Amino acid sequence: GAVVSQHPSRVICKSGTSVKIECRSLDFQATTMFWYRQFPKQSLMLMATSNEGSKATYEQGVEKDKFLINHASLTLSTLTVTSAHPEDSSFYICSALRETQGYEQYFGPGTRLTVT
Amino acid sequence: QKEVEQNSGPLSVPEGAIASLNCTYSDRVSQSFFWYRQYSGKSPELIMSIYSNGDKEDGRFTAQLNKASQYVSLLIRDSQPSDSATYLCAVRPPGGKLIFGQGTELSVKP
Repeated sequence: GAVVSQHPSRVICKSGTSVKIECRSLDFQATTMFWYRQFPKQSLMLMATSNEGSKATYEQGVEKDKFLINHASLTLSTLTVTSAHPEDSSFYICSALRETQGYEQYFGPGTRLTVT
Repeated sequence: QKEVEQNSGPLSVPEGAIASLNCTYSDRVSQSFFWYRQYSGKSPELIMSIYSNGDKEDGRFTAQLNKASQYVSLLIRDSQPSDSATYLCAVRPPGGKLIFGQGTELSVKP
């Protein structure tokens, strides 16, 4: 399988601050990456699709000004949670699309964000 | 009707038995099918992908696809307690985004 890394794995921040999460595809180039959020005991929720060199596409109900996504290279996408609030506390998971047969999608290990 | 449906479980099997996980999908033109394993508190891990009708085997795992019936399954042979996790079925229609089922929780009892 392919390897996707995410950093940091865990972060605690104060309400009102911003947090940046990095996602890297380590052994393949990814034109497309995805950002998901998952609350305890709930399903994965797609937040946005990140495309290298262009603006991200956000799912309905996701605030693009709050969740800033930058896909600056074929191996790196970042998600910045701006002016974080306690309700933003969640498990954020990135995923990278490997454009081989079937377009397999590989997930990073996730970032657990706690906003106090 | 949900686009990808799975029984939520929990499915409980004894150690050494075969675990059978099932999934149906609604979009007939879907071409790519995946099984992910997600341990509690962790991210999903891709364990099988299948694109053609029939069976695909990888170690103790066998994925089965029947496009006519819009059905995909995952068999786990010689189940181990370490296989206890939630198994997510995912389907990608042509040019579309991955659509996940709600997941089936598997518990393998020693």
